[in-house]
Amino acid sequence: QVQLQESGPGLVKPSGTLSLTCAVSGGSISSSNWWSWVRQPPGKGLEWIGEIYHSGSTNYNPSLKSRVTISVDKSKNQFSLKLSSVTAADTAVYYCARAVVVTVSSWFDPWGQGTLVTVSS
Amino acid sequence: QSALTQPRSVSGSPGQSVTISCTGTSSDVGGYNYVSWYQQHPGKAPKLMIYDVSKRPSGVPDRFSGSKSGNTASLTISGLQAEDEADYYCCSYAGTVFGGGTKLTVL
Repeated sequence: QVQLQESGPGLVKPSGTLSLTCAVSGGSISSSNWWSWVRQPPGKGLEWIGEIYHSGSTNYNPSLKSRVTISVDKSKNQFSLKLSSVTAADTAVYYCARAVVVTVSSWFDPWGQGTLVTVSS
Repeated sequence: QSALTQPRSVSGSPGQSVTISCTGTSSDVGGYNYVSWYQQHPGKAPKLMIYDVSKRPSGVPDRFSGSKSGNTASLTISGLQAEDEADYYCCSYAGTVFGGGTKLTVL
C-alpha cells in the first residue's frame, strides 16, 4: 500500500524559503492521482496548500499562490514543496497526502506522518 | 474561499450517537457530492473516514456514516466508543477547502 514520508529542515529563518520533500513508496507517483500538501498551525485546523500531477500540472491555494512552488521528481518517486518569504505565521505541521481522483471526485488518502516546521530566527 | 463551518465541539457518552455538521455554500458543499471527513487523534496525521458524502473506505467501522442536505453535510457516529474521541474535519473538493474542525469528547 502507498506510504508517504515528509522530510526537510525543521527550522527556517524569517524571510527565508521553506523546502520539504515527500517520498512516495508502495506505488508510483505516475499513477492517476494528484499529490498534495496540507498544513496545520499549532492548535489550529487544516489548510490545503496545493497539489501536483505527475505531468507537472499544479493547482495552488489562491491565498498562498504567490509564494508556493510544488514540483515532482518522477525518477525519485517524490514531490516537493517550496514556500518563500516565510513568517512566523507559516509555522505549522506540514503533511503530504495523495489526492485520490475518481472521475471528478477527490479525497485525501493516505497522509504522511507530518513534519513540524518552525519559522524563527 | 472561506472555510466550511463546523461546531467547535460536540460530546456524547459511550454507546450514544453524535452528529457533526459541516456547512458551506452552493459553490462547495451544496453544489457537489464531493465531501470527505477526516479523523485526527492528537499528534497524529488525519485519517480518511468518509468520502463522496457517504462512502466508507475499507476498514472504517460502519458506526461512521455521512449524509448531506442542501449546503450542510453531516457525519454521524453511532455506538460511541472511547477511541472515537478525536478532532474531525470535513473537506469539500470544490475549491479544496476544509472545515475548522470539531473536537469530539466521549464522556
